[in-house]
Amino acid sequence: GAVVSQHPSRVICKSGTSVKIECRSLDFQATTMFWYRQFPKQSLMLMATSNEGSKATYEQGVEKDKFLINHASLTLSTLTVTSAHPEDSSFYICSAATGQSYNEQFFGPGTRLTVL
Amino acid sequence: KQEVTQIPAALSVPEGENLVLNCSFTDSAIYNLQWFRQDPGKGLTSLLLIQSSQREQTSGRLNASLDKSSGRSTLYIAASQPGDSATYLCAVGNYGQNFVFGPGTRLSVLP
Repeated sequence: GAVVSQHPSRVICKSGTSVKIECRSLDFQATTMFWYRQFPKQSLMLMATSNEGSKATYEQGVEKDKFLINHASLTLSTLTVTSAHPEDSSFYICSAATGQSYNEQFFGPGTRLTVL
Repeated sequence: KQEVTQIPAALSVPEGENLVLNCSFTDSAIYNLQWFRQDPGKGLTSLLLIQSSQREQTSGRLNASLDKSSGRSTLYIAASQPGDSATYLCAVGNYGQNFVFGPGTRLSVLP
């Protein structure tokens, strides 16, 4: 149980285009989902926290107008990278929490974004 | 602000060796600590979760210890195998806050 999927697993796009990444909890309802970014040889950095039906909370330094997050249902959150640039190339990982505690998260397999 | 460090940054050992990975954190008021494994270009696999009231957890060849007062955790891997090669991440959970991840230790187990 507690499986989280992401789609796509890998995406290559041209600079200036927008890319949408989906995060799904397959066998449980996730009241809270988290989006992380990982640059090469660096650890995961939290970008934002999204709660179903409400606006996402962004970490300091993360542009909310560039990284649009939608958590429309208890099993799906989407991250849209708008007007992507090469510096946005990174590994994006989502996680889902089953309850109120941040500390019971299940992680997705990640999405590799490459912006040319 | 919680800060997490991991030593060593990289480690290369011959197959069969026992090894220890270290994780240190600055704020001892933690909720729990979790060790993850990450294979290249892949997501995270949870290995062991230690609650703040626990001192260690074991799973197969893995043993994780926690010393809150000194702000340290160790991950012990017994009889290492080439399949253990990966990056190992330590993540600290504080009350009401999200995980703070360490930078990871890249492990290579040579056959």
